[in-house]
Amino acid sequence: DQQVKQNSPSLSVQEGRISILNCDYTNSMFDYFLWYKKYPAEGPTFLISISSIKDKNEDGRFTVFLNKSAKHLSLHIVPSQPGDSAVYFCAASGDGQNFVFGPGTRLSVLP
Amino acid sequence: DTEVTQTPKHLVMGMTNKKSLKCEQHMGHRAMYWYKQKAKKPPELMFVYSYEKLSINESVPSRFSPECPNSSLLNLHLHALQPEDSALYLCASSLAGAADTQYFGPGTRLTVL
Repeated sequence: DQQVKQNSPSLSVQEGRISILNCDYTNSMFDYFLWYKKYPAEGPTFLISISSIKDKNEDGRFTVFLNKSAKHLSLHIVPSQPGDSAVYFCAASGDGQNFVFGPGTRLSVLP
Repeated sequence: DTEVTQTPKHLVMGMTNKKSLKCEQHMGHRAMYWYKQKAKKPPELMFVYSYEKLSINESVPSRFSPECPNSSLLNLHLHALQPEDSALYLCASSLAGAADTQYFGPGTRLTVL
């Protein structure tokens, strides 16, 4: 049973528009969440994090929203750029050390 | 220096070979991790070292043997692997482990023949 789900395997967005990537989790003990971006043949790169005491965290073009009651988080990228095309992983942890990754969403930003 | 380095980048080995993967960071991080990633799948945690002590072993077969000789180095010794062990092996580190961001290396692409 997947504890972290990313139900959209892929997403295509026009350059300049908003990209919204979704993540759902089932374990109510998770209280720390991260988003990673991964290019082919490279390791995942940290993007942004959020802890359960907040419902929003913003860093430049990237904003993460957390809805604890719905066990749902989302990553907004605005404006989207072609260089954002990558696989995005959501990861969750209850102890800050053992992270469970979602299956990833492949984002394609079209010029 | 905010980099996690891994060597080699690529490794091809037979099922009877013994080889080692190496990971190094000089960020003063005290938690280090090994992940395995199969194609089109998310990374799966294998081992966690915290302050040079093995703190998490996610039921990994004994043909994978981790070693943390010091706070900057993490090795993964491989012996008698199976073809299904072919994958990308990722190393990561974090400041101390507790809710700290993990920084990943580029990975070692392992092929077992």
